[in-house]
Amino acid sequence: QKEVEQDPGPLSVPEGAIVSLNCTYSNSAFQYFMWYRQYSRKGPELLMYTYSSGNKEDGRFTAQVDKSSKYISLFIRDSQPSDSATYLCAMSLQGAQKLVFGQGTRLTINP
Amino acid sequence: DARVTQTPRDKVTEMGQEVTMRCQPILGHNTVFWYRQTMMQGLELLAYFRNRAPLDDSGMPKDRFSAEMPDATLATLKIQPSEPRDSAVYFCASGLSWDTQYFGPGTRLTVL
Repeated sequence: QKEVEQDPGPLSVPEGAIVSLNCTYSNSAFQYFMWYRQYSRKGPELLMYTYSSGNKEDGRFTAQVDKSSKYISLFIRDSQPSDSATYLCAMSLQGAQKLVFGQGTRLTINP
Repeated sequence: DARVTQTPRDKVTEMGQEVTMRCQPILGHNTVFWYRQTMMQGLELLAYFRNRAPLDDSGMPKDRFSAEMPDATLATLKIQPSEPRDSAVYFCASGLSWDTQYFGPGTRLTVL
């Protein structure tokens, strides 16, 4: 079993919908949680970064961490076709200084 | 607009051949990572360096893979001999710290 599990999708939604992307993890010691966005034939780019529990909002994007359930989420409001990409969750242990990635969820927003 | 550059972008080679991938980190970044991405395994860390010194290469098959930073502007990943199972996209990332990584565009490797 992988340390970080993420449904690879694909996920297809209409433009304007609210998108929910999720990851579960097995190691309760993870403290740092990130979401990366990867467009086709490009490298991943950091989208959201959260330390420990709680929510973080940035424009149309909200990241949530529920450490009691070992579950993190990324919500995209008012989704746009330009949001079509693969979204990867990543997390790290305190002091580890390296990331463990989920497999990525491929998202398509249909106009 | 500073970016991580990687060469070559695409590489097709035959089993048993040596493959060298190069990465130029963003100027001033002292932390460099090498990752491999496949459909089955996702994005996996192979090795990372800080100030050109290798800190962790536990994710790298030691018998055929090697990673080096000859200087602050160049990181290399070599595979010798290459095998079909090495087919993947290899990414280099750099940053000023481990938690802010800027990825290059990747090298797509196909080993026949």
